[in-house]
Amino acid sequence: GESVGLHLPTLSVQEGDNSIINCAYSNSASDYFIWYKQESGKGPQFIIDIRSNMDKRQGQRVTVLLNKTVKHLSLQIAATQPGDSAVYFCADRGGSNYKLTFGKGTLLTVNP
Amino acid sequence: DTAVSQTPKYLVTQMGNDKSIKCEQNLGHDTMYWYKQDSKKFLKIMFSYNNKELIINETVPNRFSPKSPDKAHLNLHINSLELGDSAVYFCASSPRTGSAFFGQGTRLTVV
Repeated sequence: GESVGLHLPTLSVQEGDNSIINCAYSNSASDYFIWYKQESGKGPQFIIDIRSNMDKRQGQRVTVLLNKTVKHLSLQIAATQPGDSAVYFCADRGGSNYKLTFGKGTLLTVNP
Repeated sequence: DTAVSQTPKYLVTQMGNDKSIKCEQNLGHDTMYWYKQDSKKFLKIMFSYNNKELIINETVPNRFSPKSPDKAHLNLHINSLELGDSAVYFCASSPRTGSAFFGQGTRLTVV
C-alpha cells in the first residue's frame, strides 16, 4: 500500500470514531497555524487555522487546539469517515518573511 | 476556475536536461511559493515571492531558478536535472497573512 516505506506516523481508526492528530512546532515566534489534508495524488488542502491569540477553534467536524506553552497543536476529527483517510499536515508561520513551515505529516486510515 | 494551477502535471526527463514548471494563481494573492515534496511526503519550502520580489530562498542549488513575471505567476526553471531532483513540486499562493492554497503538484521523474 501507499504507506509502505513512507515512515510517516500513522493513525488507524474505525469509521464513526473520533480521531486526534498531534503536531509539535519549534518556532516560538510562530503566530499562525494551519492544518492541511492531502489526499493521494493531490495538493494539500486547507482544513482549519488558528491564530496564536486563541487556544481552540472549531469547524465542521474538526477542532484545532493550540498549546503555546509546549508548542503543541492538535486536530480533532469527530465521527471520522472513510473520506477522511489522507495525510494530515500541520504548518506554522511566524516572523515577517511569510515562511510556512510544515510538520512531518500523519497518515490517517479510516476502516469501514 | 482552478485557483492555483501548475503545468505540467507529470514530467519525465533525462538527467542533464533543463525543464520548466509553470504556475498561475487567480486568487489575487501577493505571495507565491514553491515547495518540494519528497518520497517520504515531507514538504519543504524552496522559494517565496511577494509582489514579484524574492523573499525566501531556502538553500536550494542554483540549478533551480524561480521567475515571477507578475504577481499571478511564478515559474520554476531547473537546469542540468539530477536523479535526486525527482519529487513532486507544489506551487502555492497566499494573502499576506493567511492560509496558502496549493496547486495539484507536478510529479518530476528524472531518469
